Amino acid sequence: EVQLVQSGAEVKKPGESLKISCKGSGYSFSSYWIAWVRQMPGKGLEWMGIIYIGDSDATYSPSFQGQVTISADKSISTAFLQWSSLKASDTAMYYCARRTRDGDFDYWGQGTLVTVSS
Amino acid sequence: DIQMTQSPSTLSASVGDRVTITCRASQSISSWLAWYQQKPGKAPKLLIYKASNLESGVPSRFSGSGSGTEFTLTISSLQPDDFATFYCQHYNSYSGFTFGQGTKLEIK
Repeated sequence: EVQLVQSGAEVKKPGESLKISCKGSGYSFSSYWIAWVRQMPGKGLEWMGIIYIGDSDATYSPSFQGQVTISADKSISTAFLQWSSLKASDTAMYYCARRTRDGDFDYWGQGTLVTVSS
Repeated sequence: DIQMTQSPSTLSASVGDRVTITCRASQSISSWLAWYQQKPGKAPKLLIYKASNLESGVPSRFSGSGSGTEFTLTISSLQPDDFATFYCQHYNSYSGFTFGQGTKLEIK
């Protein structure tokens, strides 16, 4: 069974750093891309970026370029999303999702809620 | 960049109704369109890929159609479990992945 399991909810202060994770199982993790999708409270889905696990080649949405870093460690079947300096506006639910060759997302993690507040 | 526009933003319907949600692209995207269903507090779920292909395990009352710039998601007979928010999504190698703004399907 394909599963993407994300790390737990985080509460951080503005200016702090954070790295959340997404662990895949039940398939050849290194043969797929993993995307990160943001959903701000009460809002829609926004694609942040994507990484090909096999070679860790990451591509970012222009809206998120320079704001976050996407990485992966195929030895532990895990992708990461990190911030060096959080802002209150980063408060959101973050989902990881597996991309298919048709460009859609067939499996999703359960989401990681990030709350940034002083 | 390609923009994806869904209509309506909110739709009220009753169990048993046939409903249609539309997604329009700002330029032709061939059939590179997917539809998702998201329930409150849950991750999105893939329903339809490549405009008209039903994802495995998705009930056959869901169907997708269209190509080019106009696409539709149809639910043939609404069930209580179907009330949720629906998103269309496009991919291309130049602009990446773009979601529509969502359509909330409410109980009338």
